Amino acid sequence: SQQGEEDPQALSIQEGENATMNCSYKTSINNLQWYRQNSGRGLVHLILIRSNEREKHSGRLRVTLDTSKKSSSLLITASRAADTASYFCATASTSGTYKYIFGTGTRLKVLA
Amino acid sequence: EADIYQTPRYLVIGTGKKITLECSQTMGHDKMYWYQQDPGMELHLIHYSYGVNSTEKGDLSSESTVSRIRTEHFPLTLESARPSHTSQYLCASSYAGGTEAFFGQGTRLTVV
Repeated sequence: SQQGEEDPQALSIQEGENATMNCSYKTSINNLQWYRQNSGRGLVHLILIRSNEREKHSGRLRVTLDTSKKSSSLLITASRAADTASYFCATASTSGTYKYIFGTGTRLKVLA
Repeated sequence: EADIYQTPRYLVIGTGKKITLECSQTMGHDKMYWYQQDPGMELHLIHYSYGVNSTEKGDLSSESTVSRIRTEHFPLTLESARPSHTSQYLCASSYAGGTEAFFGQGTRLTVV
């Protein structure tokens, strides 16, 4: 399987705390993306980091990428109850097919 | 809100029925994708298309078929639905492979 893995599978934190999710993947990539999914809905794109980038910020989101370890992390700072959702990483490989391969997801619950 | 639409949102049908899940986008994207997702689980790519008259099978074997006669339309058909087809089906599109993907809200299919 080309699926990546994310950990933890589930995370429960208090509002105001930071949430960190990790993603590991298996193939060489062009970029890695993070998506958010509210329960029973489609996915929404959060941020894209290219293979030649090591860190990227967007608002309260910080993403890091370590291509030597084939891993990435997503940090959400000062979390809010509205951040409760599942978070997925997705990779676009260098194989030429440009399929998006999604990780297993982290279910984040932020308690008010 | 992304300009990609899936209908119906929910569908309950009997075993053996033929069904078509609709997906349309108004962004002029060439790349379109179908994913299957069981509750709380990872996404599996079942079909994708690089443009009109182009369709490919994804990483997860599926008994469904797709067509791409128009750029904006990428319907998925099950000729004879079975309870094992019960799942959520997500349609997505992108301007180019490996760029931000836009997802529809999904169709939750239940076959009884």
